[in-house]
Amino acid sequence: QKEVEQNSGPLSVPEGAIASLNCTYSDRGSQSFFWYRQYSGKSPELIMSIYSNGDKEDGRFTAQLNKASQYVSLLIRDSQPSDSATYLCAVTGGNNRLAFGKGNQVVVIP
Amino acid sequence: EAGVTQFPSHSVIEKGQTVTLRCDPISGHDNLYWYRRVMGKEIKFLLHFVKESKQDESGMPNNRFLAERTGGTYSTLKVQPAELEDSGVYFCASNAGTYRGYTFGSGTRLTVV
Repeated sequence: QKEVEQNSGPLSVPEGAIASLNCTYSDRGSQSFFWYRQYSGKSPELIMSIYSNGDKEDGRFTAQLNKASQYVSLLIRDSQPSDSATYLCAVTGGNNRLAFGKGNQVVVIP
Repeated sequence: EAGVTQFPSHSVIEKGQTVTLRCDPISGHDNLYWYRRVMGKEIKFLLHFVKESKQDESGMPNNRFLAERTGGTYSTLKVQPAELEDSGVYFCASNAGTYRGYTFGSGTRLTVV
């Protein structure tokens, strides 16, 4: 079983719509949860971090964490063409190292 | 503040050669990490420095990989001798404290032919 799973294939959304990304993790001891955005050929860029159950909003982004179900999600509201990228879910536990999912590609269609 | 700097950005070497990658973390960041993404796979942890000490090197694939961080500033990752399966993008990241998101460098794309 992979540590972090992002199973959805490429996601195409119309401009202005909501993009929804999901991620599950296997280690119940995980403590910190992150979403990174990566443009093609560029470095991962931290866009959201969440540490406790519930929702966390930052601009057009909302991260949701449910530790009991071991999933974390990311919502992108009012999607823009500039949001087209690969979104990586990452999780850390007591060892302070990130475990990444394979990523979900998001394409925002103008 | 300056970000995490890596060089070279690209390196193409022949199998059996040696390559050294360098990472300059954000000034003042004690934690420095190396990660690697092999084509088609997820980004994988290689090792973690706290200042000049190796905190966790459990992700290093084998003894052909050697990482150093002399003086607790920049770090180097040497691959000797390089094999075809070492091809990928090597990322360096740093942060100031535990359980916080990292800042990643732009990566070194290594191609072994």
